[in-house]
Amino acid sequence: SAVISQKPSRDICQRGTSLTIQCQVDSQVTMMFWYRQQPGQSLTLIATANQGSEATYESGFVIDKFPISRPNLTFSTLTVSNMSPEDSSIYLCSVEEGDGYTFGSGTRLTVV
Amino acid sequence: QQQVKQSPQSLIVQKGGISIINCAYENTAFDYFPWYQQFPGKGPALLIAIRPDVSEKKEGRFTISFNKSAKQFSLHIMDSQPGDSATYFCAAPTSGTYKYIFGTGTRLKVLA
Repeated sequence: SAVISQKPSRDICQRGTSLTIQCQVDSQVTMMFWYRQQPGQSLTLIATANQGSEATYESGFVIDKFPISRPNLTFSTLTVSNMSPEDSSIYLCSVEEGDGYTFGSGTRLTVV
Repeated sequence: QQQVKQSPQSLIVQKGGISIINCAYENTAFDYFPWYQQFPGKGPALLIAIRPDVSEKKEGRFTISFNKSAKQFSLHIMDSQPGDSATYFCAAPTSGTYKYIFGTGTRLKVLA
């Protein structure tokens, strides 16, 4: 299965700043997915990122808050903009493979 | 909004016992139901999945039972071990799309 490297693994950020999370996959994939997992909660899909096109956002998530780049078939970034304490979560990137999703280890974000 | 209902929220089992986690889903576009296992500080990892051309799938100590008419599926962990202590998520494909909705998670603790 694909190996996903996600950086940073954790960060503590000031309110009002932005953080960019990087996701690198060791193989070429068509779609990459970004999820949010709030403390003790389930996984919520933020957006789907296809190479060469704009990301598709789920209800409740907007591009201005969570801009996504997908410059090639192995890499994507998610930016959490103008952060507030409510953005404190684990952010996960994921790719779909034959038998389901493979996830990165996540970025644990704390906004203070 | 489509949901996947997962129960119980938490589960404590003695070593050697059977752990049972249940999920119920709504309409789906296709039939493929995975279970994910997540350890603290890690991303979810695919544990086992079923395509409902069969009603049961077994891999080692892990078994999925599927009831298509009831729109329910469950995970059974036989001979539960302390190393199985983790959070388990079921997932179901959303109607009309390739995307998955995750259950709310079950925190399993196996006592030594």
